[in-house]
Amino acid sequence: GAVVSQHPSRVICKSGTSVKIECRSLDFQATTMFWYRQFPKKSLMLMATSNEGSKATYEQGVEKDKFLINHASLTLSTLTVTSAHPEDSSFYICSAKRDYSYNEQFFGPGTRLTVL
Amino acid sequence: KQEVTQIPAALSVPEGENLVLNCSFTDSAIYNLQWFRQDPGKGLTSLLLIQSSQREQTSGRLNASLDKSSGRSTLYIAASQPGDSATYLCAPGGVYSGGGADGLTFGKGTHLIIQP
Repeated sequence: GAVVSQHPSRVICKSGTSVKIECRSLDFQATTMFWYRQFPKKSLMLMATSNEGSKATYEQGVEKDKFLINHASLTLSTLTVTSAHPEDSSFYICSAKRDYSYNEQFFGPGTRLTVL
Repeated sequence: KQEVTQIPAALSVPEGENLVLNCSFTDSAIYNLQWFRQDPGKGLTSLLLIQSSQREQTSGRLNASLDKSSGRSTLYIAASQPGDSATYLCAPGGVYSGGGADGLTFGKGTHLIIQP
């Protein structure tokens, strides 16, 4: 149990386009999901906390208008990178916190975004 | 702001050895601490979760300890195998960082290579 999927696994896009990444908890409900970003040879950095049915909370320095998060159901959160630029190229990973599981987070396989 | 340091940054040993990976964190006001492994280009696999009230957790050949007051955790790997080769990440959770509670803060990891 506790499987999290992400789609797509890899995306290449032109500068200026928007990209949507989906994060799904497959076998459990998650009122809270998280979005992280990892640059090459760097630590994962928390971008935002996604709460089902309410607005996401963003970490300092993360532009909420650039990275749109929607958590429409207990099993799905989406991250949209709007007007992507080459500096947005990164590895985006989501996680989901299973309710009543002592705050343990389960991670998706990640999405590699390359902006040309 | 929580800061996480992992030592050593890299380690290469022959298989069969017992290993200790170290993690230190600056803010002891945490809810829990998770250890993960990350294979190249992949997402994170949760290895162990230690609650703030616990001292250690064990799973198979892995044992993790937590000394919350001193801001330290260690991951012990017994009888290492080539399949253990990966990057190991330590992540204390639950420190309010100005955005979302329960978000994890990651160290840069220990890159482990087990030689056959």
